[in-house]
Amino acid sequence: GAVVSQHPSWVICKSGTSVKIECRSLDFQATTMFWYRQFPKQSLMLMATSNEGSKATYEQGVEKDKFLINHASLTLSTLTVTSAHPEDSSFYICSARWGMMTTNEKLFFGSGTQLSVL
Amino acid sequence: DAKTTQPNSMESNEEEPVHLPCNHSTISGTDYIHWYRQLPSQGPEYVIHGLTSNVNNRMASLAIAEDRKSSTLILHRATLRDAAVYYCILRDALSGNTPLVFGKGTRLSVIA
Repeated sequence: GAVVSQHPSWVICKSGTSVKIECRSLDFQATTMFWYRQFPKQSLMLMATSNEGSKATYEQGVEKDKFLINHASLTLSTLTVTSAHPEDSSFYICSARWGMMTTNEKLFFGSGTQLSVL
Repeated sequence: DAKTTQPNSMESNEEEPVHLPCNHSTISGTDYIHWYRQLPSQGPEYVIHGLTSNVNNRMASLAIAEDRKSSTLILHRATLRDAAVYYCILRDALSGNTPLVFGKGTRLSVIA
């Protein structure tokens, strides 16, 4: 079945540094990918919609200059957390839609990236 | 997407069936009922979805009420690996390429 690969699985970084997270659709093309953030014991919160070849659409309250999203190809989207601070520590998850019709659509998710900022 | 209501948590014994309820009283005629689950420290995974008729797949069954205002995800024989948060989500057939919006879901604990 369709697979979404997310890398790295976990990362520890110093405050002020930038971290890049990659999300790849391995056996299907995804014109749109989604990025979520999840804090412990909470549900997934949508951060942004990543569109291939165009600018990402950010949810209200998500700083686009801090969370840079690039969707350069139909199989790869990247999220860069710039100048990370401890409050950015979270579980980041990407998702890609498979299927063209709602009748058969499924969203596949990466395994997530646990970011810890010291 | 229309709102759903699920119990915060449920508990089941291993190898017994589990019925996870979901209320969606404001469902529209074009809303599909989707279920996803999230295992600990993992991204969510698709479980099942349906519109009006009951659905079965290798993971679970989905029973949809006749008035479509509620549905039940059925795990026929719970295993320890089924311990997860289960999300019931409505998706409008006309929603196009939009993301899933997650509620709080039901945290299922499976006891050996």
